[in-house]
Amino acid sequence: QLVLTQSPSASASLGASVKLTCTLSSGYSSHAIAWHQQQPEKGPRYLMKLNNDGSQSKGDGIPDRFSGSSSGAERYLTISSLQSEDEADYYCQTWATGIRVFGGGTKLTVL
Amino acid sequence: EVQVLESGGGLVEPGGSLRLSCAASGFTFSTYAMSWVRQAPGKGLEWVSTISGSGRTTYYPDAVKDRFTISRDNSKNTLYLQMNSVRAEDTAVYYCAKDDRSGSYNDYWGQGTLVTVSS
Repeated sequence: QLVLTQSPSASASLGASVKLTCTLSSGYSSHAIAWHQQQPEKGPRYLMKLNNDGSQSKGDGIPDRFSGSSSGAERYLTISSLQSEDEADYYCQTWATGIRVFGGGTKLTVL
Repeated sequence: EVQVLESGGGLVEPGGSLRLSCAASGFTFSTYAMSWVRQAPGKGLEWVSTISGSGRTTYYPDAVKDRFTISRDNSKNTLYLQMNSVRAEDTAVYYCAKDDRSGSYNDYWGQGTLVTVSS
């Protein structure tokens, strides 16, 4: 079964970096994912597509502070030079024929 | 600029029906698959349905299959979601989202429309 697992919460200080993790279920370690950001009371915003080889394609206007990387079944989103507006929920998404799956989301708190 | 704008949300009684609409602009609508994704209060994102650019192919998860119907009118650049036999657990903000070129993930999102199922 295609499942994405995310830690429910993370925190980091203003100006620091944070690395969020999205884990693909067994048998799906080669799948690409997409990362989305949802700021409070707003619709989601597409950040990037991340392939299993670490290559990525970002959405329009996404700053260089946002980057992705991969290792095995893990997909990472690193945000550097944290700003207050980065405080948001972050979701990963993957897909297979006829199905879309979202992770449970990680709530990022900027201290 | 790509824009998608949902409408049609509101209060509906259990067992009732509601139709959501999504007006799209800024891209060649008929070229792209489109999706509906919902978010229950305080919960995460949940995929609801996807339709191909032509409208000939549709996908649903078990939670809404046989109750919800996705459709599109490419002449009006509009996406629809017909919701029938609604349940309390269908209460959520419903987002319209444009798919990427490969029809795999969502690369533009709307602001959502709230559907509340309650008597």
